[in-house]
This record gives sequence, C-alpha cells and structure tokens, in this order.
Amino acid sequence: GDSVTQMEGPVTLSEEAFLTINCTYTATGYPSLFWYVQYPGEGLQLLLKATKADDKGSNKGFEATYRKETTSFHLEKGSVQVSDSAVYFCALTAYNTDKLIFGTGTRLQVFP
Amino acid sequence: EAQVTQNPRYLITVTGKKLTVTCSQNMNHEYMSWYRQDPGLGLRQIYYSMNVEVTDKGDVPEGYKVSRKEKRNFPLILESPSPNQTSLYFCASNFLGTENTEAFFGQGTRLTVV
Repeated sequence: GDSVTQMEGPVTLSEEAFLTINCTYTATGYPSLFWYVQYPGEGLQLLLKATKADDKGSNKGFEATYRKETTSFHLEKGSVQVSDSAVYFCALTAYNTDKLIFGTGTRLQVFP
Repeated sequence: EAQVTQNPRYLITVTGKKLTVTCSQNMNHEYMSWYRQDPGLGLRQIYYSMNVEVTDKGDVPEGYKVSRKEKRNFPLILESPSPNQTSLYFCASNFLGTENTEAFFGQGTRLTVV
C-alpha cells in the first residue's frame, strides 16, 4: 500500500544552519504531497504542499519539490530559527482519495 | 476563526469505563477523521466520515466507534477502553477533493487508560 518514509530524528541544529529533512514515498497513481508541522502542545498545521510532479511548495522560508523520478519530497530551509523547533510530518493523499498517510515525523531542535 | 475543537484536552480513565471525545469544526467541511499519534508510528487513521451518516474504518479501528449525525460534529467513542488505547488523539477535517485537501487539526486529546 501507499506509505511515507522520513528520516529519523531528532535533528539538532544551531540557529541559521541549513536544514534538510528527507522524505520519500510509495504510492500508486499521482499523490499530492504535504509537509505538516506540529509545535509543542498543538495540533498539526499545514506547512506546504505540492500537487503534481516538479511543483515546489514553499512557506515561511521552507521549500520542498515534488520529485516523481526519485519519489521524494525533501524539506529544506536555508537558515533555521529557534522558533522552527517542532515535529515535521511528511504526508501524502493517494490519488482520488482524501485519506492522509503520514510518515513517522522528525523532531527538529534548534539551539541559539 | 476557522477551527477544529476537541474536548477534553487531557483525560485519565480506568479500563472499561466508556468515554467520548468530542470534535467540532466550523468550516462546513465534508470530510472528518480521527487519528492516533504514537511514538515511532506517526499518525494513523482510526475512522473517517465523508459526510453526514457516512462513516468508515481507517487503519486502526478496533476498539473505537464514531458517529456523524451533524456535519460539524464527529465524536470518538471508546466503549470499553484498554491500556493499549493510551495515546494522543487528533480530529481533523477538510473539504473533499484531492487538490484542496488541506486538513485542519484539533489541538489533540491526550488519553491515559490505567
């Protein structure tokens, strides 16, 4: 079945460092891809999305590009801040459904 | 303000005592779902509903029930909770349709069954 694989965390970085969180997926058809973020004590909120191959989603300095050839949707940010500390979930919705399938989440810790 | 509201935020209960976690959304979304979040497993879907009176099992439905009598409400019912249902639960809602499937999540309910 459809699945999402994320890199294990935690990822620990200093402020202003470059961030990459890897995400790969397995899906039939043409899924939509998402990154959700969960700040401490809160629910998940959408960070960015891409709905077709080569689309780039971006928000708050974060970017991810839908790569069909490598089935990947890696999250990147050029300069992280302490306020970016959170758990990041990669997810997909399978073609023609509304069901979200999540990866296991990656905790990011940014220190001053 | 667009939101999904879950109650309670925290709940400690004993094995076998029936409980209900409420979920309400004010965005007129057709699709609502319940997830549980466990360490190392991410979020797994328990049940979902595509509209009023239309519900179906997700990936981990055993031990749970849901109902959808009104569009805005989607309560999660544990008829006889067991310790393996100790988890963090999230309700989510979104419009139907793949391209616009941005899901909105409640703040979560941390359930402990002793």
